[in-house]
Amino acid sequence: AQTVTQSQPEMSVQEAETVTLSCTYDTSESDYYLFWYKQPPSRQMILVIRQEAYKQQNATENRFSVNFQKAAKSFSLKISDSQLGDAAMYFCASESNSGYALNFGKGTSLLVTP
Amino acid sequence: NAGVTQTPKFRVLKTGQSMTLLCAQDMNHEYMYWYRQDPGMGLRLIHYSVGEGTTAKGEVPDGYNVSRLKKQNFLLGLESAAPSQTSVYFCASERGANYGYTFGSGTRLTVV
Repeated sequence: AQTVTQSQPEMSVQEAETVTLSCTYDTSESDYYLFWYKQPPSRQMILVIRQEAYKQQNATENRFSVNFQKAAKSFSLKISDSQLGDAAMYFCASESNSGYALNFGKGTSLLVTP
Repeated sequence: NAGVTQTPKFRVLKTGQSMTLLCAQDMNHEYMYWYRQDPGMGLRLIHYSVGEGTTAKGEVPDGYNVSRLKKQNFLLGLESAAPSQTSVYFCASERGANYGYTFGSGTRLTVV
């Protein structure tokens, strides 16, 4: 099974600044998919961004982008121009092409200060 | 545009009681999942289903059973609740492998 590690239990960023959340994963598969999910205080899990491992280009979604380093098995999330609404728990997850379910990291709690 | 609906949203059980959590999706998704979320543990897979009539065990299946008699519904049962099953339970569905999940809003279960 794939394992996902988020080494930062908590992070803090000032409004309008940029923050990067780290994620590493361990897999023996050559084809897999990576995801970032956001969980605000409402508890709802929201898909932020999806990356296909065979694509070299880093995925972006508005202010959210990833730095995907396949050789290093690293998948960090960059949030630009941080907003108060970005405050949430962020989960990194992976899924192999031959698997059926996501493996989640333990999460990083992001605090956004005015 | 309901997406994935979980019922109930909150429940308190006494040790030894049984209950069923219902997950319903209206997106015609093939895959459905049950996870539990505990502080500091992330989300851990309990059971999953890749189609109507099929189910499979995940990482932490002990003490739980599931059924997928209809494509749109995925039921999670606790036959004899234990305090260790106090958790937030999430259901999710997926159109197919690797598309990304749509989650329900979760059920907070407390077993006393």
